[in-house]
Amino acid sequence: DAGITQSPRYKITETGRQVTLMCHQTWSHSYMFWYRQDLGHGLRLIYYSAAADITDKGEVPDGYVVSRSKTENFPLTLESATRSQTSVYFCASSEPGRPQHFGDGTRLSIL
Amino acid sequence: AQSVTQPDIHITVSEGASLELRCNYSYGATPYLFWYVQSPGQGLQLLLKYFSGDTLVQGIKGFEAEFKRSQSSFNLRKPSVHWSDAAEYFCAVGETSGTYKYIFGTGTRLKVLA
Repeated sequence: DAGITQSPRYKITETGRQVTLMCHQTWSHSYMFWYRQDLGHGLRLIYYSAAADITDKGEVPDGYVVSRSKTENFPLTLESATRSQTSVYFCASSEPGRPQHFGDGTRLSIL
Repeated sequence: AQSVTQPDIHITVSEGASLELRCNYSYGATPYLFWYVQSPGQGLQLLLKYFSGDTLVQGIKGFEAEFKRSQSSFNLRKPSVHWSDAAEYFCAVGETSGTYKYIFGTGTRLKVLA
């Protein structure tokens, strides 16, 4: 089925570990986005990508790395996880100027 | 700076009552405007969008929103709330060129009383 899939749905890890969150979309949308959702903050943009091999920082990029070698995939890596990165992470995709479509999220806990 | 304000963190209404969720924005021009709904443990679902034209837009699940340029507002309304409408609602402003990024409000959590 067409859509946007995030994996894993739940992840528990320890501080200092590297963790990668996966995002895959089947629409061939050019734009992809990573947000984190925290109580009282709504959704904040971490990174976004306008096309394969084109990425840029959002509002809260520190501690995160992204890549986009293929249009359909947009992984988010926490290189050395910290407790402040405990959050729910959402991936989204869209065509330029069109509504964004969201995945179901990854709930990440860092102990 | 661009921003979105949802002044009500929590709203409680009785089933069958009318609903209005407020959204105010700050943007240099007329932005794209969106309302999303999020049920617990789920992603965000688009309720409705405003790009241009008619300032009263209809969405799914019986929701509507009105864009008021003079007030920089895009309030969400529903004439009669159902228990299944209990969720969190997010207003978002979308850039109309360049990066097409969204700025989200902090959300309004709706509780519906039987």
